[in-house]
Amino acid sequence: DVKVTQSSRYLVKRTGEKVFLECVQDMDHENMFWYRQDPGLGLRLIYFSYDVKMKEKGDIPEGYSVSREKKERFSLILESASTNQTSMYLCASSFNWAANQPQHFGDGTRLSIL
Amino acid sequence: AQTVTQSQPEMSVQEAETVTLSCTYDTSESDYYLFWYKQPPSRQMILVIRQEAYKQQNATENRFSVNFQKAAKSFSLKISDSQLGDAAMYFCAYTTQGGSEKLVFGKGMKLTVNP
Repeated sequence: DVKVTQSSRYLVKRTGEKVFLECVQDMDHENMFWYRQDPGLGLRLIYFSYDVKMKEKGDIPEGYSVSREKKERFSLILESASTNQTSMYLCASSFNWAANQPQHFGDGTRLSIL
Repeated sequence: AQTVTQSQPEMSVQEAETVTLSCTYDTSESDYYLFWYKQPPSRQMILVIRQEAYKQQNATENRFSVNFQKAAKSFSLKISDSQLGDAAMYFCAYTTQGGSEKLVFGKGMKLTVNP
């Protein structure tokens, strides 16, 4: 089975801190994604990557950056955390260039910014 | 821009009964894929079923089936013989063929299954 592991289930940080959310997948997937999930808004794509060192902005990239130095790992970075970034963050991965391949999700990180 | 709409934020169903979750989408593309994902409380989001737009036959996975109406841009999920474990958030999602495989999600619908 595909395993997508997010480093933390729950995280509490302070306003202004630099926050790192880590995601690792074990299926050699080319594509990796970071979503933000908020009640009543569904999932919104922050950033995605289709190869090592490659990244593309999603729908809501402001205030975030990403890093993909190795194929299996995709990091989401909040450069200066703000309270409006309190949310559930989901990482996903999939094989590339085949839209019918489903995305596999991690368990999510519930991030609170105080 | 593509959009996915789930008009019902919450639904409930009695155990063993059938329930239908609605989803509509807007796109100008002719080739695309549609998905239903399930997110149980505090658990991982998993794929329930998927449908390729070029296929006229509706997808089926055990107790889960879809009613895909391409002209109406409708993609509903039917759950037969509902079980307590079906209680979850359900998300409808869309993506075009090829490219970066970005998924566009609906806002989700909370399904409660009553014993």
